[in-house]
Amino acid sequence: SQQGEEDPQALSIQEGENATMNCSYKTSINNLQWYRQNSGRGLVHLILIRSNEREKHSGRLRVTLDTSKKSSSLLITASRAADTASYFCATGTMNTGFQKLVFGTGTRLLVSP
Amino acid sequence: DTAVSQTPKYLVTQMGNDKSIKCEQNLGHDTMYWYKQDSKKFLKIMFSYNNKELIINETVPNRFSPKSPDKAHLNLHINSLELGDSAVYFCASSQEVPGAHPTDTQYFGPGTRLTVL
Repeated sequence: SQQGEEDPQALSIQEGENATMNCSYKTSINNLQWYRQNSGRGLVHLILIRSNEREKHSGRLRVTLDTSKKSSSLLITASRAADTASYFCATGTMNTGFQKLVFGTGTRLLVSP
Repeated sequence: DTAVSQTPKYLVTQMGNDKSIKCEQNLGHDTMYWYKQDSKKFLKIMFSYNNKELIINETVPNRFSPKSPDKAHLNLHINSLELGDSAVYFCASSQEVPGAHPTDTQYFGPGTRLTVL
């Protein structure tokens, strides 16, 4: 069954604005990761937050995790046209001693110059 | 010096045919994966191998058979292709230590777009 639900499904903003994407999930997790996918390309890892962490930063990215609400958010500050892509959250859970990632539905971000 | 590579990039074939997709990683990782991304961009894991051993096998039709000749390669063979198999297939790899804290991220290949006519 699908683990992550993301909203919004699509987001259109102007360069310089901030973009916020949300992810909700259903079961206990070990970590939550955010990936980016440019059109026609593979996924690229952006940031990972562990279940015992609440907030993490990486450059213009800020991720929060609320395990009580089973939700996470990704904030991209001062967006650029090059940030245009689809963004996916992925929850990491243990499966027979190994990690299994379950991906959300994704948010398509369009940043206009 | 591509980290995770897949061949072919595009594959167009007729229903009922058998086809293979190859994946190689030069990252020295122990674990490799196959994912399927459908037309709605939903990405779902199919298989995972660690050191050539199958560790994750989701409910995938047995027409799909992964093969790992060594830990740097994970190929996907599909028999009797159906229209519903049309999708983008992604290979990925990561460095997993069994039972250890799972913090490692996955590195994805560029994808293989399979179209079944």
